[in-house]
Parts: sequence; C-alpha cells; structure tokens
Amino acid sequence: KAGVTQTPRYLIKTRGQQVTLSCSPISGHRSVSWYQQTPGQGLQFLFEYFSETQRNKGNFPGRFSGRQFSNSRSEMNVSTLELGDSALYLCASSSTVYRAFTEAFFGQGTRLTVV
Amino acid sequence: GQQLNQSPQSMFIQEGEDVSMNCTSSSIFNTWLWYKQDPGEGPVLLIALYKAGELTSNGRLTAQFGITRKDSFLNISASIPSDVGIYFCAGQLYSYGGSQGNLIFGKGTKLSVKP
Repeated sequence: KAGVTQTPRYLIKTRGQQVTLSCSPISGHRSVSWYQQTPGQGLQFLFEYFSETQRNKGNFPGRFSGRQFSNSRSEMNVSTLELGDSALYLCASSSTVYRAFTEAFFGQGTRLTVV
Repeated sequence: GQQLNQSPQSMFIQEGEDVSMNCTSSSIFNTWLWYKQDPGEGPVLLIALYKAGELTSNGRLTAQFGITRKDSFLNISASIPSDVGIYFCAGQLYSYGGSQGNLIFGKGTKLSVKP
C-alpha cells in the first residue's frame, strides 16, 4: 500500500509570491491534515480536511488555505509569502470516519524556503 | 500554540543502553502517539496508545499512557545505532460525532550516539 505522497519535495520561492503544495493520502484514507514544522516552533497544526470540508483549523493567518478534492487529495496554498514561512510542511492522512481513535501517517514533507 | 513538555531535549546513547523519554501536558488527551523522525523525512508512527494506563510494545520500544491521561513515556531497550533520530510525542483530543482533534506535538527528544 503506497504511503502519503507529497509534492514537490523542495521549493524555493521569493517573498510576496504564492505557493501550492500537494498531498495524496494513503488509499482509502479520507482525512488529511497539514502541519508546519520549524526549528523554533516545532510541529504546528494548520488544518484538517475530511470529505472536501475543512473540519478543524489551527492558529495560522488567512494567507494559509487549503482544499480537498473528491479523491481525498489535498492542496495547501500560502499567499504573499514571508521569510518566516520557510519550513517543512507535512501532510498526514488517517482513516477516520466515525471512529474516535485514529492514527495519523505522515508524508515526507515539502521543504519550502522563502528568500 | 499549545505544546506538550517533552524531556529530555537531547540525549547521547551508547549501543546497548536503555533509553527513556517522557511527555507531560496540562491537558487531558484521549490518544497518545509516539513518532520518530529522521533528517529530511516525515515522522514515522512508532506506537499509538488509546487508553489510560495502557502499556504497549513494538519490538524494543515500550510506551505507556499515563493514568491521569496527562502524560506518556517511551522506553527503548538495548539501543542500536539506527535508533538515532528525533522522537516526538503527540497528544490527540477528539470529539464524538466524527470530528478528529488535531495532534499536539512535543518539541522532540534528539537521540545521538555518544562520541
């Protein structure tokens, strides 16, 4: 069974630009969550999507947005990039439907560098 | 954002030694997860704990869900060189009705080989 796939693995962008990251969850998983990882703040939750709906949102500015498609693939968008957005962006998928307990499996991440 | 207190921050191991790390929180969690992350990769799930007091093993790894639901520990027995990496604890809340709570992560414990 293929794992969580994130593309691209690496990105370099300039301040003010926007960027779109992609995540394909494990087959059959309908929940996709996004996390930002930085040396200073560690792993921080961005948002979670389930059945094309945002179900949960972390404490990030509106420049960070996402969406999920009918095949459960998800994209994350960051507009008007700032230097502080440089981070490893991780996507996690889980098979939650109505089960309370789930396990989240992570992709390899997209390393975004803003210059 | 909300984070767990994970300790120690770093430790050096010699092959064959046992290793112990723990996480504490001021909040009660319903699930505790332990992950390992290698450089440039996403976190890999090691152990998931679902019930207060639960003790679960995965090979040389053993983790426990604290009785108060506010803490968890991870033990690695007879460490080997490939155990080197960063270990993260994560707590998860959930609400009945299908909405999965996001993961809240500790800052990590970095395991290195003793020089």
